[in-house]
Amino acid sequence: NAGVTQTPKFRILKIGQSMTLQCTQDMNHNYMYWYRQDPGMGLKLIYYSVGAGITDKGEVPNGYNVSRSTTEDFPLRLELAAPSQTSVYFCASSQPGVNYGYTFGSGTRLTVV
Amino acid sequence: AQKITQTQPGMFVQEKEAVTLDCTYDTSDQSYGLFWYKQPSSGEMIFLIYQGSYDEQNATEGRYSLNFQKARKSANLVISASQLGDSAMYFCAMRRGSQGNLIFGKGTKLSVKP
Repeated sequence: NAGVTQTPKFRILKIGQSMTLQCTQDMNHNYMYWYRQDPGMGLKLIYYSVGAGITDKGEVPNGYNVSRSTTEDFPLRLELAAPSQTSVYFCASSQPGVNYGYTFGSGTRLTVV
Repeated sequence: AQKITQTQPGMFVQEKEAVTLDCTYDTSDQSYGLFWYKQPSSGEMIFLIYQGSYDEQNATEGRYSLNFQKARKSANLVISASQLGDSAMYFCAMRRGSQGNLIFGKGTKLSVKP
C-alpha cells in the first residue's frame, strides 16, 4: 500500500524555470492538499481539492497552480520559479471530517537558484 | 481567525524522563479535531495522536498522551520515558468542520539527551 507518493524528492531550478511536482494517492481519498514548509514557519497551505475537478486556494497560492483531473492525482505547477519558492513541499490526502488527519507524502525539497 | 500556537521553539529532555510540549489553539467552532505530528530529521510527517473536541477523556497512544484542557484551549503533548529516537520536530495541528483544512503551529524541536 503506497499511500501518498510524491516525485521528485529533490530538485534544483534556475530562476524563471517551471516545473511540476507530482502527487498520487491510492487510498481513494477525496481531499488532497499541497503545503510548503519553511524553516521555523510550520506548514502553510498552498492549494487544496475536495474532489476531482474542484480546487481552491489556500493561504499562500501565488506563483503556483494545480489541477485535479482524477481522484488519485493532484500535481502542483510552479511557473517562473523564484528564490522565494525555495522550500520543502508536502502533498497530503484525507477523508473529510474533523476526526481524520492527513496522510503525507515524503516531501520534495526544492531549491531555486 | 483560527490559530495554533506552540511557544517552545526548542526543548531538551533527559533520556527516560517525561516531557510536555505545549500547544494552544484558537477557534470559535464547537466541533474540531486536534492532532500531533512528528517530523524526524529525515523529513517525513508522522501522525502521533488525535483528540476530538467532544472527547471527554484524554487521548493516549503508547508513550504519547494528549493533555486536553478545553476551557483553556490547550492540547499539550506528553511523551513519557523519552527515547533518543524521540528527537525531532513536533507539530500541533487543528482541523475544524467537515471540510476544514489542517492548520499547523510553528513546531517545537525536541532534543533527547543520553
